[in-house]
Amino acid sequence: QVQLQESGPGLVKPSETLSLTCTVSGGSISSYYWSWIRQPPGKGLEWIGYIYYSGSTNYNPSLKSRVTISVDTSKNQFSLKLSSVTAADTAVYYCARHDRVITFGGYYYYMDVWGKGTTVTVSS
Amino acid sequence: SYVLTQPPSVSVAPGKTARITCGGNNIGSKSVHWYQQKPGQAPVLVIYYDSDRPSGIPERFSGSNSGNTATLTISRVEAGDEADYYCQVWDSSSDLVVFGGGTKLTVL
Repeated sequence: QVQLQESGPGLVKPSETLSLTCTVSGGSISSYYWSWIRQPPGKGLEWIGYIYYSGSTNYNPSLKSRVTISVDTSKNQFSLKLSSVTAADTAVYYCARHDRVITFGGYYYYMDVWGKGTTVTVSS
Repeated sequence: SYVLTQPPSVSVAPGKTARITCGGNNIGSKSVHWYQQKPGQAPVLVIYYDSDRPSGIPERFSGSNSGNTATLTISRVEAGDEADYYCQVWDSSSDLVVFGGGTKLTVL
């Protein structure tokens, strides 16, 4: 079955750019939306943004000025860049796949596959 | 932006029924999904499209959605159900993904 694996540095210095990659195995990245979600220590889930396999994106307005999500279909990967990080960006970062229900009322997207998460600490 | 409101905590005795609510403006017109997260683990989808269960999720988990409140119901609660639960919608008016703040379910 489809599996997701996050990878990237576990430690990033303040003001630098956090970069993570999610590798999709056991299935194709095509025809799906893919999201990044984060969870600060002891807090709830925060959606960061998503990308469609074709490259279209949408971001959380609270992070939009600092976030870029890209996709590489040849490698079955998608990536996250978060610029100008501070200690408030310290969190577990998850990637996830959106599957969908198709009805007469429209499409309804939910996250059915998640990576295990990777911890990123922002500290000098 | 669309806001989902969950109670921070719910407590229930083993064998009883737990109900976790998710409030939002006219949430009944949206499709609500629920995730279970145990400590140190990634979230797991337990209910999608208001009331559908993914394969492998026990029938004890059910969902409903009407008006301004969606509800996750866990029947015959077991110790292993103790976890954080999050509701989520895809707000079609903005095409943004929204999570509720999460509810910690404690099994007494």
